[in-house]
Amino acid sequence: GQQVMQIPQYQHVQEGEDFTTYCNSSTTLSNIQWYKQRPGGHPVFLIQLVKSGEVKKQKRLTFQFGEAKKNSSLHITATQTTDVGTYFCAGLRGRDDKIIFGKGTRLHILP
Amino acid sequence: DSGVTQTPKHLITATGQRVTLRCSPRSGDLSVYWYQQSLDQGLQFLIQYYNGEERAKGNILERFSAQQFPDLHSELNLSSLELGDSALYFCASSVGGGTHITEAFFGQGTRLTVV
Repeated sequence: GQQVMQIPQYQHVQEGEDFTTYCNSSTTLSNIQWYKQRPGGHPVFLIQLVKSGEVKKQKRLTFQFGEAKKNSSLHITATQTTDVGTYFCAGLRGRDDKIIFGKGTRLHILP
Repeated sequence: DSGVTQTPKHLITATGQRVTLRCSPRSGDLSVYWYQQSLDQGLQFLIQYYNGEERAKGNILERFSAQQFPDLHSELNLSSLELGDSALYFCASSVGGGTHITEAFFGQGTRLTVV
């Protein structure tokens, strides 16, 4: 069954507001990746986090990997209409090298 | 354009049939991954090949099989198709051989509809 939970499933925000999606695993992950999929498009790699407690920034996007390497978050500051899409986390499960995707958070921006 | 090519883009077939999806990775990438994306299940990792050999297996059904050829292109074979197999099938490629240790590039996907 699904062992990487991603919340929320949907999020509507006003343009300019912040947005956060969370990814929680029941097992320790070797690494975690984040992808963005625009409507009708294919997933596009955003970033990979490997170290416990790691924080990485890409312009308005901030990615965090928890100390226990079981959870991660993606925070977008001052959302823009170009941020619309579904954000997926994908964890590499350490014990068997299997990649587990979260079900994604679909972000909708209200103008 | 990610550099990963998938054919066909769309496929409509009947239950019980067999289809083959094709993927050409980016030039220089040795790993190919297959994913299934459906509305209710999200993105599911199916299988990974690295330089011609199976590297990792995910939630791939026994009715499904894949292979990677010497020229590194890959095919995903789906047999005894059921209505529930209707989904978007993505292929991705990466340089490295570890399971997603490096950035993966996705193709545009093949939309399979089983009727």
